[in-house]
Amino acid sequence: DAGITQSPRYKITETGRQVTLMCHQTWSHSYMFWYRQDLGHGLRLIYYSAAADITDKGEVPDGYVVSRSKTENFPLTLESATRSQTSVYFCASTGGDQETQYFGPGTRLLVL
Amino acid sequence: KQEVTQIPAALSVPEGENLVLNCSFTDSAIYNLQWFRQDPGKGLTSLLLIQSSQREQTSGRLNASLDKSSGRSTLYIAASQPGDSATYLCAVGDQTGANNLFFGTGTRLTVIP
Repeated sequence: DAGITQSPRYKITETGRQVTLMCHQTWSHSYMFWYRQDLGHGLRLIYYSAAADITDKGEVPDGYVVSRSKTENFPLTLESATRSQTSVYFCASTGGDQETQYFGPGTRLLVL
Repeated sequence: KQEVTQIPAALSVPEGENLVLNCSFTDSAIYNLQWFRQDPGKGLTSLLLIQSSQREQTSGRLNASLDKSSGRSTLYIAASQPGDSATYLCAVGDQTGANNLFFGTGTRLTVIP
């Protein structure tokens, strides 16, 4: 199906483990984004990518790593998960800076 | 750093009523402003996008306005319906060229049948 998908939808992990959240879009959009959503903070940008092999930090990048070897994929890795990274993670994409962003369904991550 | 505020945090109205949701931002040097809808446990759905050079956008029963100089935007919903119940998020795009969005914390709307 066309659109933007995220996997897994739900994940429980333990402190110190590495976790990778996947994001895939079928529109060939240039830009892709990772946000986290926490109560009281709204959505905050973690990392974004303007094209394959081009990534940049957002507002809250510490503890996260991204890569973009292919235009359609933008995985987010928590190298050593901490409890403060318990959150809902949203991936988004857009074809250009004049266009709306389209969001995936989110991944709910619980770090114990 | 751009700060986006949405007031009120929650709003309940009877079905059929017209309503206005408010959004304010601290830095007027924005690229655009978007309104999103989020249903519980779901992702975000884009409702309206206003470019910085525009004053308003309309889609069906929704009308969004933008006043950059005062750092304000409003989302007007006409003839509200129970299906409009959701959280409405305002997001401001910065001028980096990547359209990074700064979000408000949202207004949770409940339309009572």
